[in-house]
Amino acid sequence: GAVVSQHPSRVICKSGTSVKIECRSLDFQATTMFWYRQFPKQSLMLMATSNEGSKATYEQGVEKDKFLINHASLTLSTLTVTSAHPEDSSFYICSARDLGQGAHSPLHFGNGTRLTVT
Amino acid sequence: DAKTTQPPSMDCAEGRAANLPCNHSTISGNEYVYWYRQIHSQGPQYIIHGLKNNETNEMASLIITEDRKSSTLILPHATLRDTAVYYCIVREGNNAGNMLTFGGGTRLMVKP
Repeated sequence: GAVVSQHPSRVICKSGTSVKIECRSLDFQATTMFWYRQFPKQSLMLMATSNEGSKATYEQGVEKDKFLINHASLTLSTLTVTSAHPEDSSFYICSARDLGQGAHSPLHFGNGTRLTVT
Repeated sequence: DAKTTQPPSMDCAEGRAANLPCNHSTISGNEYVYWYRQIHSQGPQYIIHGLKNNETNEMASLIITEDRKSSTLILPHATLRDTAVYYCIVREGNNAGNMLTFGGGTRLMVKP
């Protein structure tokens, strides 16, 4: 089945630094990838939709200048948390769909990145 | 996308079938029902999806009522490793750009 790989799985950084998270579709091409965020004891919340070759679209309340998304190829999207602060500490998860399986094919998720900002 | 309603938690004895219900009374004709689960500190795992017919795969069975207003995910022989939060999500199947909107899900606890 379709595999989405996310790296790193865990990162600790100091306040004010930037962190890059990579999301790769390993055995399929993805023109669109989705980035979610999950705070403790809460459900997943969509942050942004990453579109290959064009600008990402962000959900209301998500700062595009803080969460930079780059989708430079059909298999790679990156999320950079710039000038991270402790309130950005969260579980970040990416997902993608194998369009070769049809528009109704399921989204497949990476294993998430646990970001801790100290 | 139509909203879904799930019980917040359920218990199941190990080895027994786990039946997880989901209500989606406002589902429209082109919306599919998807089930995912999330084990602690991992990304969601796809389980199964369907439009109107019942579906079965190696993980589970999905039973959708004839009026499509509700569905049940069945794990036939639950194990301790099936303890997770299970999400029922309804999504239009014609638009590949549609994301999934997660609700609160059902926290299934499988007990020995």
